[in-house]
Amino acid sequence: QVQLQESGPGLVKPSQTLSLTCTVSGGSISGGGYYWSWVRQPAGRGLECIGRVDTSGNTNYNPSLASRLTISLDTSKSQFSLRLTSVTAADTAVYYCARVRGYFDLWGRGTLVTVS
Amino acid sequence: DIQMTQSPSTLSASVGDRVTITCRASQSISRWLAWYQQKPGKAPNLLIYKASTLESGVPSRFSGSGSGTEFTLTISSLQPDDFATYYCQQYNIYLTFGGGTKVEIK
Repeated sequence: QVQLQESGPGLVKPSQTLSLTCTVSGGSISGGGYYWSWVRQPAGRGLECIGRVDTSGNTNYNPSLASRLTISLDTSKSQFSLRLTSVTAADTAVYYCARVRGYFDLWGRGTLVTVS
Repeated sequence: DIQMTQSPSTLSASVGDRVTITCRASQSISRWLAWYQQKPGKAPNLLIYKASTLESGVPSRFSGSGSGTEFTLTISSLQPDDFATYYCQQYNIYLTFGGGTKVEIK
């Protein structure tokens, strides 16, 4: 079955760039008409949708993050990526990648990114 | 931006109780609403989509209702495995989550 796996540094310095990759295995990243998305969750707090990308590379971003954010898709590698610039301690969170068909029907396990 | 407001933020209940969680949208979202369960240290798990459609494999004690701006998630008879945090999420315009409702043991 389809699985998602996040990867990337667990520690990023303030003002630097946070980069994460989600690898999709067990199925096609370009079939089914899905979006592919990033969601984050600071410790003890709720879920925030960061943004999403479709299989044509079209993106929608959370307006509060849009000026610092890039989400991209690499179908040849079955991966999609997150790049968040100029990070601060407020960006410390568990970051999840997820498959989206309006609702989020498949999630990665999540990866903790600490800005310090 | 569509804002999603859940109530209560915390709910204390016992095994066997009927539990209802409410989610309100700041504008009409038709029936484009999903519900998730999240346990500590785990990713959220989809329970319900399109306001009332049960995801495959989800126990039938979970049900959803509502349309427009007001929605409910009901657990008909709370089980030990159901103590968790629940989130609603709208997908009418972009994607936004409610603040969550923690269901804890009374």
